[in-house]
Amino acid sequence: GQNIDQPTEMTATEGAIVQINCTYQTSGFNGLFWYQQHAGEAPTFLSYNVLDGLEEKGRFSSFLSRSKGYSYLLLKELQMKDSASYLCAPMDSNYQLIWGAGTKLIIKP
Amino acid sequence: SQTIHQWPATLVQPVGSPLSLECTVEGTSNPNLYWYRQAAGRGLQLLFYSVGIGQISSEVPQNLSASRPQDRQFILSSKKLLLSDSGFYLCAWTSGRDTGELFFGEGSRLTVL
Repeated sequence: GQNIDQPTEMTATEGAIVQINCTYQTSGFNGLFWYQQHAGEAPTFLSYNVLDGLEEKGRFSSFLSRSKGYSYLLLKELQMKDSASYLCAPMDSNYQLIWGAGTKLIIKP
Repeated sequence: SQTIHQWPATLVQPVGSPLSLECTVEGTSNPNLYWYRQAAGRGLQLLFYSVGIGQISSEVPQNLSASRPQDRQFILSSKKLLLSDSGFYLCAWTSGRDTGELFFGEGSRLTVL
């Protein structure tokens, strides 16, 4: 079967760094996406990894290890507006996104 | 630029009543269109997707249906709502089958009482 595993909730302090992990099992693999979703709003695209390694985009970075079925999202210099849910979504062999339940990130001052 | 709009944003419906959610995309042609549902604390569940007019693929058998009467219009319907249909419904589009970057509408919050 297809499965996504990421922590339900994490708490971090403003200005700090946080790493959100995701492990996955899918039928085939065509890359992995991270989305951000603020409460009551639609998800918005953050990053896409298809090859192993780290992709950096401003304060956000995403890492992928295909052999381990593992990815993480790294958020630096945390701001209060980063309080949101972060959704890990690998793409399977049919080019369908498989969604995890998301990690709710709470930022404290 | 491309935009996606869905409506209504919020609705409260009694059990057994019908449902119609509409979604339109502007600024692009022949998009792939999707309907997702997100229950509280759960991941997004793909309900339907469409690669062209009149072409609908159903992922989850249930009392919902979808239609694509025009290239950039996608409609989610039900003849009789169930309590379990409550959730946050999201319409989304991509430019191609192997493009995973989804662009979502604002979402429609449905509460069935």
